[in-house]
Amino acid sequence: AAGVIQSPRHLIKEKRETATLKCYPISRHDTVYWYQQGPGQDPQFLISFYEKMQSDKGSIPDRFSAQQFSDYHSELNMSSLELGDSALYFCASSFRGPNEKLFFGSGTQLSVL
Amino acid sequence: QKEVEQNSGPLSVPEGAIASLNCTYSDRVSQSFFWYRQYSGKSPELIMSIYSNGDKEDGRFTAQLNKASQYVSLLIRDSQPSDSATYLCAVKENTGFQKLVFGTGTRLLVSP
Repeated sequence: AAGVIQSPRHLIKEKRETATLKCYPISRHDTVYWYQQGPGQDPQFLISFYEKMQSDKGSIPDRFSAQQFSDYHSELNMSSLELGDSALYFCASSFRGPNEKLFFGSGTQLSVL
Repeated sequence: QKEVEQNSGPLSVPEGAIASLNCTYSDRVSQSFFWYRQYSGKSPELIMSIYSNGDKEDGRFTAQLNKASQYVSLLIRDSQPSDSATYLCAVKENTGFQKLVFGTGTRLLVSP
């Protein structure tokens, strides 16, 4: 079965530009999570969606926004990019339930120059 | 204080030995516990989940949970060089839509 698909794999942007990251969850998964991981850091939770509604919010800057669409794919929009936004961005999906397990995509490596 | 604590390591073990990775968490209502393996530049890969006190075995991996002590561990038997990676402990509440909180990870090095 296909896993979580993220695109693009790599993205290079300049300061103050915008970026859009895409995530396609595992089929029938109803929840999507976005995480940011800086070099040598643990993944930091940004935001999550359940059934296309925002369900939880973490340390996501106001410059970032996200949504989940009717086909359950999600997009993370990042504006006014800063050097510190350079990181690996992971999307994870799950099927909500008592023993919910998150499965991660391969990530998008964002480099802001 | 971080919600999930791990020793950053590196933890060095020879091939064939048992590697023991430890994790403590601060939130008493945490109900779900996970171990992820992450190779450099790659995504976290789920290797074990545990929800109740005691041991859970899966192949060479054993997860141990002690909710009273707020402690979860991962044992890797017959360690292989391919096990060399960062192991992330993660905890999650089962109440509502709660995020998965990660520890900083323990880097494991298995030498041939």
